[in-house]
Amino acid sequence: AQTVTQSQPEMSVQEAETVTLSCTYDTSESDYYLFWYKQPPSRQMILVIRQEAYKQQNATENRFSVNFQKAAKSFSLKISDSQLGDAAMYFCATNAGGNKLVFGAGTILRVKS
Amino acid sequence: DTGVSQNPRHKITKRGQNVTFRCDPISEHNRLYWYRQTLGQGPEFLTYFQNEAQLEKSRLLSDRFSAERPKGSFSTLEIQRTEQGDSAMYLCASSLDRGREGETQYFGPGTRLLVL
Repeated sequence: AQTVTQSQPEMSVQEAETVTLSCTYDTSESDYYLFWYKQPPSRQMILVIRQEAYKQQNATENRFSVNFQKAAKSFSLKISDSQLGDAAMYFCATNAGGNKLVFGAGTILRVKS
Repeated sequence: DTGVSQNPRHKITKRGQNVTFRCDPISEHNRLYWYRQTLGQGPEFLTYFQNEAQLEKSRLLSDRFSAERPKGSFSTLEIQRTEQGDSAMYLCASSLDRGREGETQYFGPGTRLLVL
């Protein structure tokens, strides 16, 4: 069975600083996708960034980038120049070669002003 | 693009009652998913549809749960004889099938169910 592990239940970052959220996963599939989703308090989940496993180049979206280490099955999210609006629960997920998503337990990110 | 919508947003019911939730996906999306999220946890997959066909169901989906997508557009999720353990946020997501897996899923705001 596919699993996703987020070992940091909670993280804090000072506004304008950089923070990295960790994620490891386990799958026997060779072709899969990895995702980071953001869920602000009482608001719907939105996609932050998406990585195709067969692409070695790390995905970036403005202030958000990933460090994808396929052999280590690691997929961390780096948020640069953190803003108050980045405060949310962040979920790492994989489609594990299929259509459904398998999520980690999430990391709460707090941003201090 | 109006996004994925879900109704109701909140539902309080008594144990043993039946409840039904509705999801309207993004209009051109042919795939629709249901997930359940309990407090402090990540969403767990329940079932998904490709057009009107239900293609996969999780073992989490007991026989008290049924989902339909009659015309390949909106979907309903019904829970019969609700139990307190059914209290959770029920999330709907949709995606566009472009002939490959891993397409981005877009989530609705969810329906929060509380069973008393």
